[in-house]
Amino acid sequence: DAKTTQPPSMDCAEGRAANLPCNHSTISGNEYVYWYRQIHSQGPQYIIHGLKNNETNEMASLIITEDRKSSTLILPHATLRDTAVYYCIVRVLSGTASKLTFGTGTRLQVTL
Amino acid sequence: GAVVSQHPSRVICKSGTSVKIECRSLDFQATTMFWYRQFPKQSLMLMATSNEGSKATYEQGVEKDKFLINHASLTLSTLTVTSAHPEDSSFYICSARDSGSAGWNYGYTFGSGTRLTVV
Repeated sequence: DAKTTQPPSMDCAEGRAANLPCNHSTISGNEYVYWYRQIHSQGPQYIIHGLKNNETNEMASLIITEDRKSSTLILPHATLRDTAVYYCIVRVLSGTASKLTFGTGTRLQVTL
Repeated sequence: GAVVSQHPSRVICKSGTSVKIECRSLDFQATTMFWYRQFPKQSLMLMATSNEGSKATYEQGVEKDKFLINHASLTLSTLTVTSAHPEDSSFYICSARDSGSAGWNYGYTFGSGTRLTVV
């Protein structure tokens, strides 16, 4: 699976959009970009994933650059409950469950 | 959505004893489950892949005789930490993906984790 690079930490004011970047310059054509987050002392939570088109769901939006070498997770209106470590993972989507490898992630701190 | 239940959430045990952690997929079947360990302020490290009806696959450096994994059904995997020592104190997390079509859309579901403290 391709490696990813994320900033170690970011701050965001409550109510503002949080834009979390991820670089995955060695991504292959069949690899998807997944985002998970981990709130303190809990298991990770799936947020969103995409291949090349931008994606949106009730939690967030995922913007993938045209060359697919980077992406941005957008939390449109961050709240204090969004304070967590956010992980960007790149891997092949397949019918067989294969392991997820976590990097160091971005620690997002949402403040009043 | 898919739910993974992990039990217990917190356990304290004496050095030299064994501890069993259960991971259950509540509303889906999972032929494969994964066990992770997380030390404070660090990322999740995969320990092993649990396969229903067959032997688990361990990551390099993880002692299979110390971390026993059993995946006897499509909804249950267990991790037993044998002869626990203080250095085994950590946050253990399991995950699973729906073996059916829903798994393609929703990725992997994680348990809430088990905090093990060995004294």
